Amino acid sequence: AQSVTQPDIHITVSEGASLELRCNYSYGATPYLFWYVQSPGQGLQLLLKYFSGDTLVQGIKGFEAEFKRSQSSFNLRKPSVHWSDAAEYFCALNTGGFKTIFGAGTRLFVKA
Amino acid sequence: DAGVTQSPTHLIKTRGQQVTLRCSPISGHKSVSWYQQVLGQGPQFIFQYYEKEERGRGNFPDRFSARQFPNYSSELNVNALLLGDSALYLCASSSLGDTEAFFGQGTRLTVV
Repeated sequence: AQSVTQPDIHITVSEGASLELRCNYSYGATPYLFWYVQSPGQGLQLLLKYFSGDTLVQGIKGFEAEFKRSQSSFNLRKPSVHWSDAAEYFCALNTGGFKTIFGAGTRLFVKA
Repeated sequence: DAGVTQSPTHLIKTRGQQVTLRCSPISGHKSVSWYQQVLGQGPQFIFQYYEKEERGRGNFPDRFSARQFPNYSSELNVNALLLGDSALYLCASSSLGDTEAFFGQGTRLTVV
């Protein structure tokens, strides 16, 4: 069965510091992978997606993610975090079917 | 262009009641999916509809039902509400064959 694991329930980062959010997936082939961000009480906004090709994907708001097949990972990174990045981040996969499977999310706190 | 719109934004219902949530997809999108997001968890897939046909269903009881209209808007119905149905209900639209889903802001349902 397909699944997505986000090992960190919450992470605290100082403003201006770098960020890496971890995501591991379980699927027999290469899935379509996504990172979404959700502010409190809001819907989901797509940050970036990986379908195929270059394993380093650039997204909005200065985020990037790297797909590593050997590690079944799709970690999200940002070189310098801003206070406005505080939110919940979800990694998700789709195997080409009708549903997207989400991880449990990682809550990002940014301290001044 | 308008994104995915959901109504109402908030709703309070009593146990045992029935509720109907509404979703209008992005113009040109013919596929609508519904997700349930319980507090502190990632979204869980409930249904996907395309051209008024159900294409997939998640692991939810028969109390949950949905339909799609000729204009591609959709309704999610939940009967005999339980306290555990309290959640943010997200609607997403996509083009057929496109695994990227665009999410609405959600409907916050509270069952008391």
